Amino acid sequence: AQKVTQAQTEISVVEKEDVTLDCVYETRDTTYYLFWYKQPPSGELVFLIRRNSFDEQNEISGRYSWNFQKSTSSFNFTITASQVVDSAVYFCALSAGNQFYFGTGTSLTVIP
Amino acid sequence: GAGVSQTPSNKVTEKGKYVELRCDPISGHTALYWYRQSLGQGPEFLIYFQGTGAADDSGLPNDRFFAVRPEGSVSTLKIQRTERGDSAVYLCASSESWGRNGYTFGSGTRLTVV
Repeated sequence: AQKVTQAQTEISVVEKEDVTLDCVYETRDTTYYLFWYKQPPSGELVFLIRRNSFDEQNEISGRYSWNFQKSTSSFNFTITASQVVDSAVYFCALSAGNQFYFGTGTSLTVIP
Repeated sequence: GAGVSQTPSNKVTEKGKYVELRCDPISGHTALYWYRQSLGQGPEFLIYFQGTGAADDSGLPNDRFFAVRPEGSVSTLKIQRTERGDSAVYLCASSESWGRNGYTFGSGTRLTVV
């Protein structure tokens, strides 16, 4: 079975604080892809990153960084020096076969 | 077009009515997906098209739901005899191949059944 768990339902931080969003996944596939999407209040899902199961290198893109650890089946997302514009719901997703399996999302509020 | 376009953005319908939701994918994208997102939940898979054919419709909840993509571009999701439980945001996404490179999502259609 494929499953993505985002245990944090809501997080609030003060602007400029760092914040980490957790994602734990389950799959029996040896080849799979992991994603993070941002959903601002406008509703559109915005692609942030894709990682395949054979590449455990961490990635940094500006204030965003991702930590992929197969040993713990986790793909955590860290925002450094958060900004108000980061306020949104963030979804972690697993792709295996033709489908995406989304977590229930983490709602991040950055307080000015 | 530059992005995935979904129309209408909002639809209110009475219980029992028929509705059609339209998705216009990015030009050249052969793969098209429909997802449904209920309040406070992540998107749930409904159906996947590769070209004109439905390659995987295992997510359609029942036979009241149907989707077509007759020319391999625009797709229409059709819901018959709508029920209040069908109220959700219906998201469409497209991609160049099998979706593993990440989908581009539209802004969704918010369907409210009253």
